[in-house]
Amino acid sequence: DGGITQSPKYLFRKEGQNVTLSCEQNLNHDAMYWYRQDPGQGLRLIYYSQIVNDFQKGDIAEGYSVSREKKESFPLTVTSAQKNPTAFYLCASSRVMLAGVRHNEQFFGPGTRLTVL
Amino acid sequence: GENVEQHPSTLSVQEGDSAVIKCTYSDSASNYFPWYKQELGKRPQLIIDIRSNVGEKKDQRIAVTLNKTAKHFSLHITETQPEDSAVYFCAASITGGGSEKLVFGKGTKLTVNP
Repeated sequence: DGGITQSPKYLFRKEGQNVTLSCEQNLNHDAMYWYRQDPGQGLRLIYYSQIVNDFQKGDIAEGYSVSREKKESFPLTVTSAQKNPTAFYLCASSRVMLAGVRHNEQFFGPGTRLTVL
Repeated sequence: GENVEQHPSTLSVQEGDSAVIKCTYSDSASNYFPWYKQELGKRPQLIIDIRSNVGEKKDQRIAVTLNKTAKHFSLHITETQPEDSAVYFCAASITGGGSEKLVFGKGTKLTVNP
């Protein structure tokens, strides 16, 4: 998991602004994921991507957007349409397949704490 | 869709005692069940996982059991230590359309009292 980085660690945003959270991995993992964590809510899936130039909505995609132009990068944009964006955002990655064997293990980045002022 | 229920939400034990956290899932097609430990302000760390073709897996003081028929799995920590204090999350896999994702329980805050 040391090969997954997120930046910035803390982010402050004014209402009505879009912000982009960075997630980079050098593990050569195929799949990448974005989760939102709120107290008492566990981890909820926002978006995920299994391959470059393709991604799927998770359970709480409204107000968020992503891109997957490179295998190593999966940035998340929190738009002004997201009504309650203050949360801890976690990025994860997994290999998916290696030598014909499925690898489900997801490894997490250190997270970005977003606060809306 | 898949739903994962986790109990209890909080658990307090004395050092040296055992701790058990239980999860149930709804999708019988789920075949991968990881457990994560998250310390305050840190990232979740994978501590153990089990696949549907195995009923039990053990790693030192940590073990996980899986009952596919009943669709529940449990985390067992023996000889607990203060450093085991953290929030623990279970998860179950969902596969569909060539992609796979995890659905997480809401977490159990474990406190080990010295």
